Amino acid sequence: GAVVSQHPSRVICKSGTSVKIECRSLDFQATTMFWYRQFPKKSLMLMATSNEGSKATYEQGVEKDKFLINHASLTLSTLTVTSAHPEDSSFYICSARNPGLAGGKPSTDTQYFGPGTRLTVL
Amino acid sequence: SQQGEEDPQALSIQEGENATMNCSYKTSINNLQWYRQNSGRGLVHLILIRSNEREKHSGRLRVTLDTSKKSSSLLITASRAADTASYFCATVQETSGSRLTFGEGTQLTVNP
Repeated sequence: GAVVSQHPSRVICKSGTSVKIECRSLDFQATTMFWYRQFPKKSLMLMATSNEGSKATYEQGVEKDKFLINHASLTLSTLTVTSAHPEDSSFYICSARNPGLAGGKPSTDTQYFGPGTRLTVL
Repeated sequence: SQQGEEDPQALSIQEGENATMNCSYKTSINNLQWYRQNSGRGLVHLILIRSNEREKHSGRLRVTLDTSKKSSSLLITASRAADTASYFCATVQETSGSRLTFGEGTQLTVNP
């Protein structure tokens, strides 16, 4: 149980185009989803927190108009990289959380991660 | 911002040996988690230790937490070539709700 999928797994696009990445929780309802960015041989950097039915909360330094996040249902969140440029090339990973899976207590919280999407902007 | 620091950054050992990775953090936490990532893949949750726990075991994994020193260690015993991966610690801070803050990671290579 607690499987999270991402689509696509890999995308190559031209500079200036927009790219949408989907994150789905397959067997549970995700009240909160998180989007991370990871550069080669580096750690994960949290970009934004997405709560179902409300606006995403972006981390400092992340442009909300550049990285559009929509969490329209309890099983789907999307990240759209608008007007992509080569510097947006990265590995994007989502994670999903449902307090009900962990007894509802923050001290036992667990996030379930998707397999990641490799974005290359030419 | 990333608050975790892990050492070593890279570790190379022989199969059968034990591997120890350390993680330090700066703020008070609710819990600390360890994840594994194979190259180009997503993260796999390994183990979670709460702030009121000192040690936890799961199979060949042993995690310790010292909140006075704000540090944790992950020990993998009897390592296998398949354990080759990057290992990250991540903390849930007391004031951050469920947000995870990741350390820089340790690249472990287990040579057959």
